[in-house]
Amino acid sequence: GQQVMQIPQYQHVQEGEDFTTYCNSSTTLSNIQWYKQRPGGHPVFLIQLVKSGEVKKQKRLTFQFGEAKKNSSLHITATQTTDVGTYFCAGRASNFGNEKLTFGTGTRLTIIP
Amino acid sequence: DVKVTQSSRYLVKRTGEKVFLECVQDMDHENMFWYRQDPGLGLRLIYFSYDVKMKEKGDIPEGYSVSREKKERFSLILESASTNQTSMYLCASSTGTVFSGANVLTFGAGSRLTVL
Repeated sequence: GQQVMQIPQYQHVQEGEDFTTYCNSSTTLSNIQWYKQRPGGHPVFLIQLVKSGEVKKQKRLTFQFGEAKKNSSLHITATQTTDVGTYFCAGRASNFGNEKLTFGTGTRLTIIP
Repeated sequence: DVKVTQSSRYLVKRTGEKVFLECVQDMDHENMFWYRQDPGLGLRLIYFSYDVKMKEKGDIPEGYSVSREKKERFSLILESASTNQTSMYLCASSTGTVFSGANVLTFGAGSRLTVL
């Protein structure tokens, strides 16, 4: 079945440093979504990427979808304490009519003030 | 805002007990999902539903069943709880048809189940 892996599993950075998490799928994806889960909270939708090679930005966050639509990345510039949490990618396979989202294993970001 | 409400935030049950986890959404969403979240494993899909009385198995359906008698309510049932079902259970809902490709998930706060 479809597998979605994320690396790294954990990342500790000094406040102000950059952070990147990578997501890799075993199958081609029709689209990919990113979610953020704050400590003690539930996942909250951040963004969806659909097109091959697509790049989207939300303030200090930059999301990319690979040309082959099998990988994606999230980059945070100049991290702040509010960025703490676990970031998940979630991919939907290209099978027609398949609405199932497969989540990655997540990257937990901690910030050292 | 879409609201997804899970009935219990914390539950403690004994091995062999029948457990019901209830989830209600208030935005008339067609799709509802049950995930479990475990450290290092991310979110794994247990069951999902596109419509009333309709259900589809996810990646880890063994030991679970679901019920969707009304559009707004999706219940997860553990017929005979076991210790390996100790986990955080997350319900989610989404709008969008099979063909729309939208399907952004809105999650509930989660139900942390401990099976002793």
